[in-house]
Amino acid sequence: EPEVTQTPSHQVTQMGQEVILRCVPISNHLYFYWYRQILGQKVEFLVSFYNNEISEKSEIFDDQFSVERPDGSNFTLKIRSTKLEDSAMYFCASSGRTTREKLFFGSGTQLSVL
Amino acid sequence: AQSVSQHNHHVILSEAASLELGCNYSYGGTVNLFWYVQYPGQHLQLLLKYFSGDPLVKGIKGFEAEFIKSKFSFNLRKPSVQWSDTAEYFCAVNAGGSSNTGKLIFGQGTTLQVKP
Repeated sequence: EPEVTQTPSHQVTQMGQEVILRCVPISNHLYFYWYRQILGQKVEFLVSFYNNEISEKSEIFDDQFSVERPDGSNFTLKIRSTKLEDSAMYFCASSGRTTREKLFFGSGTQLSVL
Repeated sequence: AQSVSQHNHHVILSEAASLELGCNYSYGGTVNLFWYVQYPGQHLQLLLKYFSGDPLVKGIKGFEAEFIKSKFSFNLRKPSVQWSDTAEYFCAVNAGGSSNTGKLIFGQGTTLQVKP
């Protein structure tokens, strides 16, 4: 079965630094998502992306966050100036044109902000 | 606003025991319902989903779930669990029909530990 891949699996950064989390969605998918899960809490929706623009975002997704699909295969999440509370597992997901509601998730990037 | 509640946070069972994990949601319109599983060190995987039709849906690995609209519930069941079912289980919902955006609202998850 095709997979969504995420790199790195674990990233450690200092507070205030910029981080970029990378994802390679399934190749023929059109909808892309970022979710996060703070330890002990629910998986939370951050943003959805379609046709090279954000289609929906949550209140968590403030100006510190941005997403990009720079080259037609990668889908990135940038956090401009990390805060301690950004420490979480970040999941990328994608879905196809006719099965938009069936999300395929990557294995996640564990971000630790020190 | 949509919300999902999973009442069991941590369940411990012996092999061959039956499993039922509760899930209730809050949303006034048409919904799509999902159960995802996350095995240790792995990504979220779809176990089963309900969009419409038969409210009893069967998924992979012997799991099934029943949509009871009057109770806003979508409980996950398995008649006989195995040690390999040890994982975290997430119930999720998104708006159905023309309101669907693909955005999922997740419950807080249930950790299932199966003792051999």
